[in-house]
Amino acid sequence: KNEVEQSPQNLTAQEGEFITINCSYSVGISALHWLQQHPGGGIVSLFMLSSGKKKHGRLIATINIQEKHSSLHITASHPRDSAVYICAVVGSARQLTFGSGTQLTVLP
Amino acid sequence: DTEVTQTPKHLVMGMTNKKSLKCEQHMGHRAMYWYKQKAKKPPELMFVYSYEKLSINESVPSRFSPECPNSSLLNLHLHALQPEDSALYLCASSPRPGESTDTQYFGPGTRLTVL
Repeated sequence: KNEVEQSPQNLTAQEGEFITINCSYSVGISALHWLQQHPGGGIVSLFMLSSGKKKHGRLIATINIQEKHSSLHITASHPRDSAVYICAVVGSARQLTFGSGTQLTVLP
Repeated sequence: DTEVTQTPKHLVMGMTNKKSLKCEQHMGHRAMYWYKQKAKKPPELMFVYSYEKLSINESVPSRFSPECPNSSLLNLHLHALQPEDSALYLCASSPRPGESTDTQYFGPGTRLTVL
């Protein structure tokens, strides 16, 4: 069983829809990161969470430490949001352990 | 300057070649990382440098040889690679080694093909 599980693996939405991507983890962590990877490879860090909720523009990330669960929400989705979204946790080894990613496609 | 640069963007090499990948950052970060990413898979950690010293080697074959000549520069020397080593090689940096809440800044990657 992977330490970090993401769902769904693939998600197709219409422009304007509200999107949720989930991440569950099985180990104790000190931080959780949400990353975005566009075709071609570049990875951008979206959020770092150790508790609670963060918001940046149309993106919202939440974490529930007790339930070992985090969600990434995108409001008013747009085709430019199409990318792979990756959840990564920092455990006792103090390095990133990545989930398998969610491929999001937003159709115009 | 909040950018991590990587060169080359693409590299094709034969199994007998020797080549090097280069990564550079001028953000004053003291932790630098090499990751390998196969298609449709998440990145896999290869090496971590903390304060220019190799701190983590994730059992990477010796045909991959990292080097950190100074705090801004990270190289990955490649020799006698196999076709299965074809992948996207990502470099990243973060401000403080071992600090879990620091953001890692990723470069655009080098797409390597081994023939």
